Amino acid sequence: SAVISQKPSRDICQRGTSLTIQCQVDSQVTMMFWYRQQPGQSLTLIATANQGSEATYESGFVIDKFPISRPNLTFSTLTVSNMSPEDSSIYLCSASSSGGNTGELFFGEGSRLTVL
Amino acid sequence: AQSVTQLDSHVSVSEGTPVLLRCNYSSSYSPSLFWYVQHPNKGLQLLLKYTSAATLVKGINGFEAEFKKSETSFHLTKPSAHMSDAAEYFCVVSPRGAGTYKYIFGTGTRLKVLA
Repeated sequence: SAVISQKPSRDICQRGTSLTIQCQVDSQVTMMFWYRQQPGQSLTLIATANQGSEATYESGFVIDKFPISRPNLTFSTLTVSNMSPEDSSIYLCSASSSGGNTGELFFGEGSRLTVL
Repeated sequence: AQSVTQLDSHVSVSEGTPVLLRCNYSSSYSPSLFWYVQHPNKGLQLLLKYTSAATLVKGINGFEAEFKKSETSFHLTKPSAHMSDAAEYFCVVSPRGAGTYKYIFGTGTRLKVLA
């Protein structure tokens, strides 16, 4: 299993600013993902964080708005850039330690972001 | 194409009565299937998973689910609900052998447990 720590756990930000969320896993994992969960909604995949290379973004999400880094197998960051109230959401980091797509996903507790 | 449908957005049960949360999936590949629970202001916790072994899967906290290929279903059950089971539940499908690492989430079922 893997334990995932995210910070900040919550933040209130002003429109037009940027916030970086950090995700630390306590063991080496194969895959790391970033999800967004809007209030009362399911999870939407933003991107897959690739170690040492550019993240793979899902439709509707772009690197300029959500730059992602993954410098090693246990750490990743997500930046929410030029924020607007529509970015108010919970951002969840997740990871899979399986080499294939049969492995379970482990989740952090999420970062609750409110944009004023 | 891969998809997952949670048939009920809200389910209410009385404490001590059985729980049934329904999930149907569609997958072009043999799927792995998961159920996750999310308590308020928390991340997601794995309840159980199916990855082509036994079709009846037992999970934590007394939950279990049965993989029925003919019905493309993976319903979550528990014989007796507890107040602490009140939470949001997500069914997730991951198509094995698709060559991509995809986890497709259902829209969630909010379980309410009445005293």
